[in-house]
Formats: sequence, structure tokens, C-alpha cells
Amino acid sequence: DIQMTQSPPSLSASLGETVTIECRASEDIYNGLAWYQQKPGKSPQLLIYNANSLHTGVPSRFSGSGSGTQYSLKINSLQSEDVASYFCQQYYNYPLTFGSGTKLEIK
Amino acid sequence: VQLVESGGGLVQPGKSLKLSCSASGFTFSSYGMHWIRQAPGKGLDWVAYISSSSGTVYADAVKGRFTISRDNAKNTLYLQLNSLKSEDTAIYYCARYDLDAWGQGASVTVSS
Repeated sequence: DIQMTQSPPSLSASLGETVTIECRASEDIYNGLAWYQQKPGKSPQLLIYNANSLHTGVPSRFSGSGSGTQYSLKINSLQSEDVASYFCQQYYNYPLTFGSGTKLEIK
Repeated sequence: VQLVESGGGLVQPGKSLKLSCSASGFTFSSYGMHWIRQAPGKGLDWVAYISSSSGTVYADAVKGRFTISRDNAKNTLYLQLNSLKSEDTAIYYCARYDLDAWGQGASVTVSS
């Protein structure tokens, strides 16, 4: 199974700041990576697919990058509605596997 | 696109439960579908996948105990959960092939 190591587990930042969340795969996943946002009590929502493609309707302050085993999610100009948990997920191979999540709070 | 799970509840260890996921707003028969679960306060855990032609893949933790199936005439996805264990306690989400659409989740609690 491909292991996804996500960091940091939690993050506190001020409104307007830029934050970055990292995800490392245990082997090359050839950009088969997605990022999800999950607000408390809600189901996850797709943000990014193919490592760097923005899903329909997602604000452009979200961006993804990376290749091989190293990927990142960047949120520019942090807004209050971005308070949530964020998860990476690889879909290069079954079983699909997720990172352990990053909880983002506003300072 | 709308996905609505049902069938969750409290069940004793060793017993069974069947979850349903009703799909609308897209051509259900053309899409593979997943079940993904999330234990209380934990991360996301993929459970099973069924293709549009009903081929299936399971996580090792549920293989032999859970069965994913679909009824295209009813636009409905199912997950049969047998021999339930306390560690199966979670919210169970159905999601479309690309995980671009998720249901609101069905809560399953396994406890005596």
C-alpha cells in the first residue's frame, strides 16, 4: 500500500497570510494526487486533482504543486471560511490512501 | 449531483447492516462509485469501489466481511456490512468515481 505522510498536523495562521501543507507519498504516484477540504460536521469537498488542477468552483487562492513523491497545497490570502481540515489522497493505485490531515485555524 | 446515504445505526458486534446511497443529477450507471469511512475524530479511510460494470475492489480491513453492490435501475449503491467489529464504527460516505461528489454520510456505531 502507498503511505501518505501529511504535515503539519495542525496550523494556525492570520487572515490574509499564505499557508502551505505538504504531503509525501511512500513511492512515486505520478501526480495521481488530490486535496480535500472538510469543514466540521460536513463531508469532504474536492479542491485539487492531478496534483495541480483546480476543481470547478474552487477559489483561485487554492493551488497545488509537486511531482513524484512530494506534493503541496498552498492557500493564498487566508480567509475565515478556510478554517477546516485538509487531506491529501493518492489515486495512482488501490487501495486509495489518504494523508492523516491538517487542521487549519485562524490565529 | 446529489448522493444521499441511509441505513446507518447502532448495531451489536458480529451483526450486520446494509447501507444505501441514492444518486441523482447524473447518469449513475456510467460511473464507478466508492465507499469511504471516517472514524470519530479520525482521518479518511477508503473502504470499497465498484466500477460501472460492477467489478469490485476492497480494502484489506473489510475484505470478506463487506460487500459493495449497485442497482442501476434504482440509481442506488449499497454496502452490506457483516461480522461488524467495534473498529468499524464510523461515518460512511458514498462518493462518485473521481471523489468529486460525496454524500452527507451515514453513521454506523458498533457497540454492545
